[in-house]
Amino acid sequence: EVQVEESGGGLVQPGGSLRLSCSASGFSFNNYAMHWVRQAPGKGLEYLSGLSSSGRTTYVADSVKGRFTISRDNSKNTLFLQMSSLKPEDTAVYYCVKGLGSAIDYYVMDVWGQGTTVTVSS
Amino acid sequence: ETVLTQSPGILSLSPGERAVISCRASQTVSSSYIGWLQQKPGQAPRLLIYGSLRASGIPDRFSAGGSGTDFTLSISRLEPEDSAVYYCHQYGTQPRTFGQGTKVEIK
Repeated sequence: EVQVEESGGGLVQPGGSLRLSCSASGFSFNNYAMHWVRQAPGKGLEYLSGLSSSGRTTYVADSVKGRFTISRDNSKNTLFLQMSSLKPEDTAVYYCVKGLGSAIDYYVMDVWGQGTTVTVSS
Repeated sequence: ETVLTQSPGILSLSPGERAVISCRASQTVSSSYIGWLQQKPGQAPRLLIYGSLRASGIPDRFSAGGSGTDFTLSISRLEPEDSAVYYCHQYGTQPRTFGQGTKVEIK
């Protein structure tokens, strides 16, 4: 079964840092682009970042550019999201999502993890 | 950025009826790059349809159509389990964007 599972969420103070991980199983991780999407409490979905299968092509949304960095370790089937300078408005459930192809563009995101909750508060 | 606007915000229907959700884009999007997601309370979103294709395991009661800037998701023969929030999504241009969601309530 194709699965992705996030971890690393928690409570962090404003200005702090956190690294989210996403462990993938059931598919050839190194063949697919991966993405991060978040959902603030009671709100809709916001696309944050995508990384191609090779790790050479990335996209980062303007709302988190310069603060969030996406990366992957294909040898460990794991995707990461390094978050720094966190703000209260970053409070959300963060979803790891598998792409249907190797590029970050033009392929739908087809498999979603259950999400990990990040709370930014003092 | 391509803004997606869904209507209505809430749809309240009885079992067996048909639901139609509209998604309007602020600029032309190829229908090949429009997807629809379902999210039930406390759960992650699930892909229903992308382009003209249903995702694995999605019943044929779900269908999508449209072109240019206007797209629709139709759910025929509504069942209680269809109660959820539905999102349209475009992945043809960066940033990928989502509609604000339509809540479908089953009476």
